[in-house]
Amino acid sequence: NAGVTQTPKFQVLKTGQSMTLQCAQDMNHEYMSWYRQDPGMGLRLIHYSVGAGITDQGEVPNGYNVSRSTTEDFPLRLLSAAPSQTSVYFCASSYSSGRTQYFGPGTRLLVL
Amino acid sequence: KQEVTQIPAALSVPEGENLVLNCSFTDSAIYNLQWFRQDPGKGLTSLLLIQSSQREQTSGRLNASLDKSSGRSTLYIAASQPGDSATYLCAPHSQGGKLIFGQGTELSVKP
Repeated sequence: NAGVTQTPKFQVLKTGQSMTLQCAQDMNHEYMSWYRQDPGMGLRLIHYSVGAGITDQGEVPNGYNVSRSTTEDFPLRLLSAAPSQTSVYFCASSYSSGRTQYFGPGTRLLVL
Repeated sequence: KQEVTQIPAALSVPEGENLVLNCSFTDSAIYNLQWFRQDPGKGLTSLLLIQSSQREQTSGRLNASLDKSSGRSTLYIAASQPGDSATYLCAPHSQGGKLIFGQGTELSVKP
């Protein structure tokens, strides 16, 4: 198993540009989520999904969109990037919401 | 709102020492609690998951305890090694599988 994979590893955007951060898992996990990690703020939940077709907001959802059309993939979309979205983004997955969560290697995003 | 505090924020010990990392949380209505380690520039690696009905969980040199009523969890590392150097994070599981993270304890084990 590859586990949780994320692409790209690093991205530079200009303010106002859009992009999609990709997340995939090959463990047949129903639960997937996105976090951002910022110095002094720790990790904070952006969006999560309990299964294909079902998504919900976390603590800091503004400026981000998600959809879950398959069990394997959970992309995170930035519609109009802002410097405040400069961060490291982590995707996680688990068999169900109460089980061990596994994290991907992260995507470092710099918005100029 | 759940708040998680980890003490100490940083810890430096010589190789071979036994050590305890502390985690406290304000809302005892948690489902489970998970401990992670994070190496610089890397993702999070899961160490242990303690279910809400358990009081302890062990994996190798690691032992984690959970006291929901007092809002505390500890991670005990036996016979520390330089390879244990990393940031350790605790994260209670709230409803819906949401993890609430502390700021972490940065551990440095000197040879």
